[in-house]
Amino acid sequence: KAGVTQTPRYLIKTRGQQVTLSCSPISGHRSVSWYQQTPGQGLQFLFEYFSETQRNKGNFPGRFSGRQFSNSRSEMNVSTLELGDSALYLCASSLALREQFFGPGTRLTVL
Amino acid sequence: KQEVTQIPAALSVPEGENLVLNCSFTDSAIYNLQWFRQDPGKGLTSLLLIQSSQREQTSGRLNASLDKSSGRSTLYIAASQPGDSATYLCAASVGSNDYKLSFGAGTTVTVRA
Repeated sequence: KAGVTQTPRYLIKTRGQQVTLSCSPISGHRSVSWYQQTPGQGLQFLFEYFSETQRNKGNFPGRFSGRQFSNSRSEMNVSTLELGDSALYLCASSLALREQFFGPGTRLTVL
Repeated sequence: KQEVTQIPAALSVPEGENLVLNCSFTDSAIYNLQWFRQDPGKGLTSLLLIQSSQREQTSGRLNASLDKSSGRSTLYIAASQPGDSATYLCAASVGSNDYKLSFGAGTTVTVRA
């Protein structure tokens, strides 16, 4: 069974631009969560989607948004990029008992 | 709000020694607790999941315990090997329908050959 996949793996953007990251969950998993990982703040929860509905949202500004499609694939978008948005963005999918399975992440660098 | 703490932040041991990694959480009303391993620049690999009704879980050389009353979980790694060198993170989820994980900052383990 294929694991969680994330594309692209690496991104370099400049301040003010916007970016879209993609996540494909494990087949059959309907819950997809997004996390931001930075050296200073560690892993922080962004949002969680289930059956195309956002069920939970972390404490991030409105520049961070997401969506989920009918096939459970999810995208997150960050608009008006800031230097502080440089991070590893991780996606996780879940089915039973809420065990989370993570993808390899997208490394975003904002210059 | 669930706060998760992992102490120590870093640990260095000789090969063959048993590892004991600690995780504490503030809200005892957890749904489950999950231990992960992260290699530098990589994603998270799930090691063990302990449901709130369980006291421990085992997988090979790994054993994790959960004590909700004291707000603690411990990950034991027997007979450590250099390949066990990584950062280990614990994460707790709470609530009846909340998939959000609250993570500790992690313990970075180095196993010396």
